[in-house]
Parts: sequence; C-alpha cells; structure tokens
Amino acid sequence: DAGITQSPRHKVTETGTPVTLRCHQTENHRYMYWYRQDPGHGLRLIHYSYGVKDTDKGEVSDGYSVSRSKTEDFLLTLESATSSQTSVYFCAISESDRAPYNEQFFGPGTRLTVL
Amino acid sequence: QKEVEQNSGPLSVPEGAIASLNCTYSDRGSQSFFWYRQYSGKSPELIMFIYSNGDKEDGRFTAQLNKASQYVSLLIRDSQPSDSATYLCAVRGYQKVTFGIGTKLQVIP
Repeated sequence: DAGITQSPRHKVTETGTPVTLRCHQTENHRYMYWYRQDPGHGLRLIHYSYGVKDTDKGEVSDGYSVSRSKTEDFLLTLESATSSQTSVYFCAISESDRAPYNEQFFGPGTRLTVL
Repeated sequence: QKEVEQNSGPLSVPEGAIASLNCTYSDRGSQSFFWYRQYSGKSPELIMFIYSNGDKEDGRFTAQLNKASQYVSLLIRDSQPSDSATYLCAVRGYQKVTFGIGTKLQVIP
C-alpha cells in the first residue's frame, strides 16, 4: 500500500469553527490532491499541489484553502466550517500528472461532520 | 452531459459469472483511464489503468478501451462475493482527472 496517512480520521465540529485536515505521504510523490466524496456526486477535486508551495484550485474549492510547506505534507483548511462541508475527505498522491505515472493512490479518508 | 458517466447500479451477478462494468466519457482528448474498487467505508483502490485502445488483462480483470466510441469497460471473470464493491471509473482529460459516480456490484453466492 502507498504510504499515505490522514488525520484525524473522524471529526465532529460546529458550524463556524476552523478545521484543518492533514495528509502525510512517505512516497516522495510530487503531486498531492484533496477530494471530497458525497452520495450522488462521486469524488470531486477540491485543491491539488504540484510541488512545495505550488497549489491550484479544483472544481469545488470555495470555502477551502490548502498549504504545502514540505513534500510529504498537504493540509486542507476549512476556514469557517458549514454543514454543506459535511463529507468524506480523501487525500491522493501521484508521481506525475502525465502518463504513464499519473495513477493516483488514496489515503484512508477523513469523515467530517459539521453540526 | 456528465464528463464521466457510469450506471450506479446495483449490478447483480451470480458467483462465477463475468461482471461487465461500463463507463463513457465526453473529452475526446482523454489519455489515461483508471478503474478503482471501493469497499463500503473504505478508500478507492486502484485495480487497473489503460492508455491504449484495446484490451489489457491482469488476472481476473480485463480493461477495454475504445477511444473512437469514448468507452471504457472493466470485465471481472469468475466473480467472487469478495468482488462486491463500488467500481469507480476515472478519466484524465485536460489538466485533471474526473471520476464517475461508480457502479455498485453485487456478487450473489
């Protein structure tokens, strides 16, 4: 299994509070991604990183920010959590964004509930 | 039209049968195609990827790609109850990977 961990694995928080999710990898892969998965929507990209301090928005980035200060860590922050951000969040990594090494490998996920 | 379309299922097959999972995509420039398996409450697990037209086999799994028809499929031979999961199709188009909503497969003993 790819060496990807996410923390916390479960979190319950209240509307309006800030939340930070962490993704840590031991594979030294350049690309890291944050997705959310909701019933009926599948996996949707929030933000991604193509190197230290290099990040870009995905299709559902509103209300989220990210940071990557080290190759191995990619943080996702909800500045002020809302109930619509209740979801399962997955981190993924890939060696490249071009074939033949652009397969993405997923972490175990974080289940976030915003009350 | 969704960028990547899959029938959500469930698709029920008897144990030992061939399960056929299908996916269509809209971006003709797509170059990389992936199949993931996701058990309930778990993260997606990569099982196959294919880049060229034709078939690619790995054990009981065969991925089939037809770029002219914008169609990719996954065949699972000798289906086992342990294959019961949701199968996600993913397509890399311009600058991003898009996932389908997944097809739930149920293998009946």
